[in-house]
Order: sequence, then C-alpha cells, then structure tokens
Amino acid sequence: AQRVTQPEKLLSVFKGAPVELKCNYSYSGSPELFWYVQYSRQRLQLLLRHISRESIKGFTADLNKGETSFHLKKPFAQEEDSAMYYCALSPSGNTGKLIFGQGTTLQVKP
Amino acid sequence: DGGITQSPKYLFRKEGQNVTLSCEQNLNHDAMYWYRQDPGQGLRLIYYSQIVNDFQKGDIAEGYSVSREKKESFPLTVTSAQKNPTAFYLCASKLSGTDTQYFGPGTRLTVL
Repeated sequence: AQRVTQPEKLLSVFKGAPVELKCNYSYSGSPELFWYVQYSRQRLQLLLRHISRESIKGFTADLNKGETSFHLKKPFAQEEDSAMYYCALSPSGNTGKLIFGQGTTLQVKP
Repeated sequence: DGGITQSPKYLFRKEGQNVTLSCEQNLNHDAMYWYRQDPGQGLRLIYYSQIVNDFQKGDIAEGYSVSREKKESFPLTVTSAQKNPTAFYLCASKLSGTDTQYFGPGTRLTVL
C-alpha cells in the first residue's frame, strides 16, 4: 500500500534549537517526495522536493531509501517557521497526484 | 498562487442537498486536483483531471462528482450520498511536465 506517515502531530521547540520533522513512506517503486507547508492564513505551498536536493529557508530533507524516510531538518529554528508541514509522495506514472501524510504542526517558541 | 480561486470561502448545506464548489485557475495548467482536509488525517485525494473532458477517481471519490468542460475550471459537487461532508476542501493545479502543485485558498463546507 502507498502510505506516508508523519508520527508527530505537534513538535514544539525553542527558537534557535534544531528541528527534525519525521516522514516515513511505504511505496514499492521509486517515489518522488515533497514537503509542503501551510503558514497561518496562507495557502498550502511547496517547500522543497527531494529530486532537486535544495535548501529552502534553511530546511533540507534527505531521501533515505533504506529506511524509507524523508525527514525535514533545520539546524536553527526561527519563530517564522511555525506552521503545518506535510510530507507528500507522488507515485510514478506521471499523474501528478499526491499522497499526503497527516501533517505535523511545528511551534517555535521565543 | 493567486491564479487559483475557490468559491465560496464558507458554505453551509442542509442534509440531503447537493452543493457545488467552484475552482478556477488562470495559470494555463493542464492538471487539476481536489483534496479533502480533515484534522489529523492530512489531505486525501477526491478526484483529479489531467486534461479537459477527462477525470479519474482519487482515494475517496464516493459521494462526490466532478466535471472538466474547460481547462480553467474543475467544479466539485458534494452529493447527498457523501456521509460525512463537513470538511475543508482544497483545489490544486499543475502544469504538465512539472511536479509542483499550486493550491487554492480552500472552501470550508459545513453540513447543518
């Protein structure tokens, strides 16, 4: 079965602390993986994709095929990082559809 | 993302009524998607369309219907057969050959 699991509903850290939002997936092929973010009163938007291996707003995510994980990391959290984060998987086949995890709310305290 | 609009922002429905949620985009995107967002469950795909006059069921299509008569429009009808329709509905679109979906602001549907 195709599934994305984000085990933490809420992650609360202090400003300046490291952050790791966990994402595990279940998929038999080679997936494309994404992190989407929804800031308060804003639309859901793409944060980063694994295929481009980029760093956006200080966040990085590495695909670990052995552990089937795609954890999102940032070395020093900022208050403006507070948001809902969704990990998503796009199955092969070029339909573009996304399978989302349950989401993790990141709360960065001052 | 301002190129995708959803209306209305809030919608109230009595039990037994069908309602239609609007999704329009002026981004010239080929593909469009409807998701349902429930607390603790993330987003779940209802229907998607890759080209005009064609659409496919997603993971939770029962009780919903769509049409894609124009490239820029992908309305979603929530029928009386949908047992638990109260939710936040998100529409998204994507340009063919790319992998980024762009989301609308959403419609919150409440069944009274």
